[in-house]
Amino acid sequence: GAGVSQSPSNKVTEKGKDVELRCDPISGHTALYWYRQSLGQGLEFLIYFQGNSAPDKSGLPSDRFSAERTGGSVSTLTIQRTQQEDSAVYLCASSFLSTNLGQGETQYFGPGTRLLVL
Amino acid sequence: AQSVSQHNHHVILSEAASLELGCNYSYGGTVNLFWYVQYPGQHLQLLLKYFSGDPLVKGIKGFEAEFIKSKFSFNLRKPSVQWSDTAEYFCAVIETTDSWGKLQFGAGTQVVVTP
Repeated sequence: GAGVSQSPSNKVTEKGKDVELRCDPISGHTALYWYRQSLGQGLEFLIYFQGNSAPDKSGLPSDRFSAERTGGSVSTLTIQRTQQEDSAVYLCASSFLSTNLGQGETQYFGPGTRLLVL
Repeated sequence: AQSVSQHNHHVILSEAASLELGCNYSYGGTVNLFWYVQYPGQHLQLLLKYFSGDPLVKGIKGFEAEFIKSKFSFNLRKPSVQWSDTAEYFCAVIETTDSWGKLQFGAGTQVVVTP
């Protein structure tokens, strides 16, 4: 079956430009997560979606970062006025929504978008 | 704040050797525990997970991990590694007071298996 897909796979941009990264979760998965993988910081949580709402945005590093999800499916992570420190691999994961408070469901990861800000 | 520590950043071993990767977490409450693997050029894949029950969990490709609550540990083991086990391994934790299931990752351990 289809897994989590992300596009583009690679993105090179100039400092100060805006970028949009896309995530298509596994069909039927209502929970969607964005993470960032960088050399200095390892794997960091950015934002979580439950359906189309984002109850946890605690990991977004600055107000230049935003994300939305439409139709309970596709999500877009937008980085405005990119900086060199934004260079990283941006990972998306999806899962079924946990029906038990305090018990997470297995998250399935996409291949990531490698972002390079020059 | 919750933290996840992986003891080794790099491990080099020969085929057929045994592997053990350490993982400790700092949260004192109930946790869900995971090991993910990232093979060269591939995306993160789940190796195994622990939610509750038997603290010894078995995953794919002959891996297993043991949850020791008193030691806040979830160490990964494989009795005999293969060259194809060369990868980066990540331990991850979900605090179960966090119903959103936010994964907190360790820094990762790069494992290189030589023929």
